[in-house]
Amino acid sequence: QSVLTQPPSVSEAPRQRVTISCSGSSSNIGSNAVNWYQQLPGKAPKLLIYYDNLLPSGVSARFSGSKSGTSASLAISGLQSEDEADYYCATWDDSLNGRVFGGGTKLTVL
Amino acid sequence: QVQLVQSGAEVKKPGASVKVSCKASGYTFTNYGISWVRQAPGQGLEWMGWIFPYNANTNYAQKFQGRVTMTTDTSTTTVYMELRSLISDDTAVYHCARVSLHGGSYYEGDYWGQGTLVTVSS
Repeated sequence: QSVLTQPPSVSEAPRQRVTISCSGSSSNIGSNAVNWYQQLPGKAPKLLIYYDNLLPSGVSARFSGSKSGTSASLAISGLQSEDEADYYCATWDDSLNGRVFGGGTKLTVL
Repeated sequence: QVQLVQSGAEVKKPGASVKVSCKASGYTFTNYGISWVRQAPGQGLEWMGWIFPYNANTNYAQKFQGRVTMTTDTSTTTVYMELRSLISDDTAVYHCARVSLHGGSYYEGDYWGQGTLVTVSS
């Protein structure tokens, strides 16, 4: 059971916009920055968003992050088939004194 | 260019130990940390801990405390992760990832190692 809760799966049509939620608590999302990762099958994760809403160099501006209270969201606009992947949120948990990941969300582009 | 190159796949028996290496290149080794993240087959990502080569400070996930040791060799810019008392549930791909600092918060993953498959089987 993950400390951070993500929907197991989401799906949307090409060229549409999808959001993936990540729900936590005051000891993690509520007080620490959130990062998001994309993982393609058989590949290492890729950093998409750090510090809640910052894009690393080279990451498409179609990806954006936001946070409010104890929840965070990843939005992907202009969906493309190559966006089909697993997406994970992560943050620090003050109670556990460690990094925690969400359970992951599988995105299907219809 | 920044690279993290990990050691090769391992097969271990239950109760044994495994030591995985992660050699860093292309950046100032002591300016960043290294996290270890594992992924069991068909499962999600799990953070094991991190080490900062600058002072060898470590922070291990509660789940692995007492069973994991992370070390660093600044002369070879290599980080090691040793996991002891292996059980079948430790079968996973183990990744190292670079840790950076922004706005007072650490984040990992702007660069990742290729992953090392550790199989625990009798």
